[in-house]
Amino acid sequence: QPELTQPPSASASLGASVTLTCTLSSGYSNYKVDWYQQRPGKGPRFVMRVGTGGIVGSKGDGIPDRFSVLGSGLNRYLTIKNIQEEDESDYYCGADHGSGSNFVWVFGGGTKLTVL
Amino acid sequence: EVQLVESGGGLVQPGRSLRLSCVASGFTFDDYAMHWVRQAPGKGLEWVSGISWNSGSIDYADSVKGRFTISRDNAKNSLYLQMNSLRAEDTALYYCGRDNHGMDVWGQGTTVTVSS
Repeated sequence: QPELTQPPSASASLGASVTLTCTLSSGYSNYKVDWYQQRPGKGPRFVMRVGTGGIVGSKGDGIPDRFSVLGSGLNRYLTIKNIQEEDESDYYCGADHGSGSNFVWVFGGGTKLTVL
Repeated sequence: EVQLVESGGGLVQPGRSLRLSCVASGFTFDDYAMHWVRQAPGKGLEWVSGISWNSGSIDYADSVKGRFTISRDNAKNSLYLQMNSLRAEDTALYYCGRDNHGMDVWGQGTTVTVSS
């Protein structure tokens, strides 16, 4: 099954932009990845799914237009523009490795985004 | 309002059992596969188990295989996780999630603490 690698931390100034990266292990370049936001003390929140062609389906409820995604090779990116204080969260990527009749999900280790 | 509410967590001794429940509302429960995902204190997300809409497909993470059993009762809009032979490393916040090409709805979680 794929492994998802995320840098443990990132930071950006209020109003700036930041791009978070999720890297799939070799051999899984065709996989779609989901991004999740987890604010301090809260449960995860679906942001959006991304493949090599960009967003797949719709954004999660209430996700602002400032959030966008791209995919290239083994990398899946989440970009946040005009960062707000409320964006300070842990961000996880996850992938469904199941096929047809089975389920296997994997998550990356998460990136803690600090808003300066 | 689309909602998932988990319950059943608590403090339990190693080797004992616990049953978690997740009640869904605001959507047609049997249209969706469902999952359990856990988060150990200060750690990232870990997928635990998933079940198809009709219980025809079920899978588990290797860490819980043979000890945990997922089930659902569509008539009661409910998802369950029977956890046997609990270990200290099962201590975590347990979330249920709706599978809609990404886990697009999450509950608030229920805490399981395994300790003597």
